[in-house]
Amino acid sequence: GQQLNQSPQSMFIQEGEDVSMNCTSSSIFNTWLWYKQEPGEGPVLLIALYKAGELTSNGRLTAQFGITRKDSFLNISASIPSDVGIYFCAGLKGAQKLVFGQGTRLTINP
Amino acid sequence: GAVVSQHPSRVICKSGTSVKIECRSLDFQATTMFWYRQFPKQSLMLMATSNEGSKATYEQGVEKDKFLINHASLTLSTLTVTSAHPEDSSFYICSARPSGGPHPDTQYFGPGTRLTVL
Repeated sequence: GQQLNQSPQSMFIQEGEDVSMNCTSSSIFNTWLWYKQEPGEGPVLLIALYKAGELTSNGRLTAQFGITRKDSFLNISASIPSDVGIYFCAGLKGAQKLVFGQGTRLTINP
Repeated sequence: GAVVSQHPSRVICKSGTSVKIECRSLDFQATTMFWYRQFPKQSLMLMATSNEGSKATYEQGVEKDKFLINHASLTLSTLTVTSAHPEDSSFYICSARPSGGPHPDTQYFGPGTRLTVL
């Protein structure tokens, strides 16, 4: 099925560094969602974006809905050990199915 | 708000038996719930869309007679894996979409159920 192109697939960073990941698509979405999943758990919603150009923050997390509605990025500032996990972007067109990115696995060295 | 629970969190069963997994939206009503399956180190794969009061819609390749879905109320959907076999072992995750509200399209996920079939 359709997937979003999410990059990078994995990141190995030092604690305190900033993190940036993004998702792109060949088609337009009306909603972009960013989730974090930890081992053995379900995805947890971090940020939801509903308007093109929208920039939203949640603590140290910032995400933007691209103006073309075909992309989104997620930034994490001053990373800490509990940021470790897999981050998924997901796109929605109205009341249709979520389309997921492949995920970005974040590893942090203390 | 927007909490989704799943029960059980882990289940081990013998081959040939059936297993029921419950998905509940705890603080909102959900006309629509979704069931996903996730393999190790992969993204979530949608199995079916569960609609309250009507039949579920299954994705291509998912056997509806094997994965029975019942969405009997606005807060509960169940997935029953019938005649389970070892290849059905996986991590099953549900999500729920709020009925109404400012953003009814957003999906909230449960914590997942780890199924192991011996």
